[in-house]
Amino acid sequence: GAGVSQSPSNKVTEKGKDVELRCDPISGHTALYWYRQSLGQGLEFLIYFQGNSAPDKSGLPSDRFSAERTGGSVSTLTIQRTQQEDSAVYLCASSFQSGLYQETQYFGPGTRLLVL
Amino acid sequence: AQSVTQPDIHITVSEGASLELRCNYSYGATPYLFWYVQSPGQGLQLLLKYFSGDTLVQGIKGFEAEFKRSQSSFNLRKPSVHWSDAAEYFCAVGDGGSQGNLIFGKGTKLSVKP
Repeated sequence: GAGVSQSPSNKVTEKGKDVELRCDPISGHTALYWYRQSLGQGLEFLIYFQGNSAPDKSGLPSDRFSAERTGGSVSTLTIQRTQQEDSAVYLCASSFQSGLYQETQYFGPGTRLLVL
Repeated sequence: AQSVTQPDIHITVSEGASLELRCNYSYGATPYLFWYVQSPGQGLQLLLKYFSGDTLVQGIKGFEAEFKRSQSSFNLRKPSVHWSDAAEYFCAVGDGGSQGNLIFGKGTKLSVKP
């Protein structure tokens, strides 16, 4: 079946502009995760959804970052007033259930964001 | 706080040679440990995971990893590397919370010489 998909695959934007990144999880997966992969920094957890709710937003690096999930499916990560340090690959993952490490997280190919 | 260290940023091995990628973790309790692989332009793919039981874990693509509590390590091994194994490898630990978040190391890039 289809895996996790993300769009766009690449995004180039100017500093100060807003961007929206989209994630389509695997159908039926209730848990959805956003991570950021910066050069030399590895993967950093951003936010997690159980259904449509995000119990913990503490991983978001600043209040310019927000995310929502609708219908228990698609999620959008929004970055307002982008800064150059936001340049990174944004990865989305989903799993069948939440809070269980036994549940494998399946990752999408990521969105590569470049802020000029 | 939990953390993961992958001491080697880049490793080059010859095709057919054996491979060991190092991973050390910091975690108070019994950890949930994972190895993921990221090929160029691809998403992360789970190679294997350890939760409990047998400390030698078999994964896909001929990889295995051994959990050593005394050394706080979870090193990834493969007896004979193929050119298609060239990729970046990430070790991760479950953060112990209720959400299933993973804490990743910074990755080890593997190059394979013909």
